Amino acid sequence: DSGVTQTPKHLITATGQRVTLRCSPRSGDLSVYWYQQSLDQGLQFLIQYYNGEERAKGNILERFSAQQFPDLHSELNLSSLELGDSALYFCASSGGIAGGETQYFGPGTRLLVL
Amino acid sequence: TQLLEQSPQFLSIQEGENLTVYCNSSSVFSSLQWYRQEPGEGPVLLVTVVTGGEVKKLKRLTFQFGDARKDSSLHITAAQPGDTGLYLCAGLESSNYKLTFGKGTLLTVNP
Repeated sequence: DSGVTQTPKHLITATGQRVTLRCSPRSGDLSVYWYQQSLDQGLQFLIQYYNGEERAKGNILERFSAQQFPDLHSELNLSSLELGDSALYFCASSGGIAGGETQYFGPGTRLLVL
Repeated sequence: TQLLEQSPQFLSIQEGENLTVYCNSSSVFSSLQWYRQEPGEGPVLLVTVVTGGEVKKLKRLTFQFGDARKDSSLHITAAQPGDTGLYLCAGLESSNYKLTFGKGTLLTVNP
């Protein structure tokens, strides 16, 4: 158990819909990272937040957005969903700001868009 | 964005065999990490290598960072069924401190 929790574990929705994925980091960790994992693209970095502020951006689509709240939990919002958005979405956390620190991954949310 | 190529993509071996998986890039990384991911779970960090030529050992696993910090290898001695999983390498881009992951090597160790 990494100490990072993600909800929901599974999500099935339809094209065009909007969903919100939730992540609670390990106690004391200030950074939250979001990743998307698919068979063809592998694990892709989406975005990092540090203590409530956006820190780094990766291959995140404009239809996707994230935020980190004062209690440090984070949400990833996916809108206008397409079939190709079906993937595993992971949240990770670390204590500091640098991406090279040890990142602790949650169990992931499996999203299926029909 | 810097790319990491992992090979082989799939590897199926018998218990007790040795194996090596590779992680290659044309770009230089400030450090490189290896993760193992089991089905239904998130990746778990195994090791971080920082210095060119560095070798780190973790029980039966030996990790090496290339001299030029562009490539890395993971060698497993006497593989066991518990070693089964997806092995991912990830390079840290010094310019923006983002991790770039390879697509992984899916290892199956048969009893």
